[in-house]
Amino acid sequence: AQSVTQLDSQVPVFEEAPVELRCNYSSSVSVYLFWYVQYPNQGLQLLLKYLSGSTLVKGINGFEAEFNKSQTSFHLRKPSVHISDTAEYFCAVSFGNEKLTFGTGTRLTIIP
Amino acid sequence: IAGITQAPTSQILAAGRRMTLRCTQDMRHNAMYWYRQDLGLGLRLIHYSNTAGTTGKGEVPDGYSVSRANTDDFPLTLASAVPSQTSVYFCASSDDSWETQYFGPGTRLLVL
Repeated sequence: AQSVTQLDSQVPVFEEAPVELRCNYSSSVSVYLFWYVQYPNQGLQLLLKYLSGSTLVKGINGFEAEFNKSQTSFHLRKPSVHISDTAEYFCAVSFGNEKLTFGTGTRLTIIP
Repeated sequence: IAGITQAPTSQILAAGRRMTLRCTQDMRHNAMYWYRQDLGLGLRLIHYSNTAGTTGKGEVPDGYSVSRANTDDFPLTLASAVPSQTSVYFCASSDDSWETQYFGPGTRLLVL
């Protein structure tokens, strides 16, 4: 079965500390991988995407993610978070059909 | 450039009533999508349209209908609302490079 899993529903992190938000998927076909961010009371916006090529993908606002095919993961990282990074983060996967399947989201809270 | 606009911003609706959520984009994107966002479930695709004049069913289409008479507009209709349709509804669009979807600000719907 094809699925997207974000195990952490909430992640609290101190300001200027590093963060990793986890995303795993299950698929029998090749995938494209995405991270979207949703700031409070707003729609989603694309942070970064992996389609092919280098497995380390850099996105906006200092975020990056690494595609690990053997572990079927696409974890999102940032070396030093800021208050403005407070948001909900969604991992999304396309299972070869040009449609996105979203994970359940991880709420990132930055502690001053 | 407005991007994607959605109306209304929020609505309280009595069960059994008919409701149309409006979505308009000014980016001339071919593809448009409707998602619902529910706590703990992330975003789920309701209906989509790859181009004007065509529509398709997503993951949770029951109780909803859409039309795509032109490129810019993609209304979502609830023929007879039920409380389980209480949700936040997002419209999105993408151009021919489907990998990036642009989201509207959302419509909060409460069905009583």
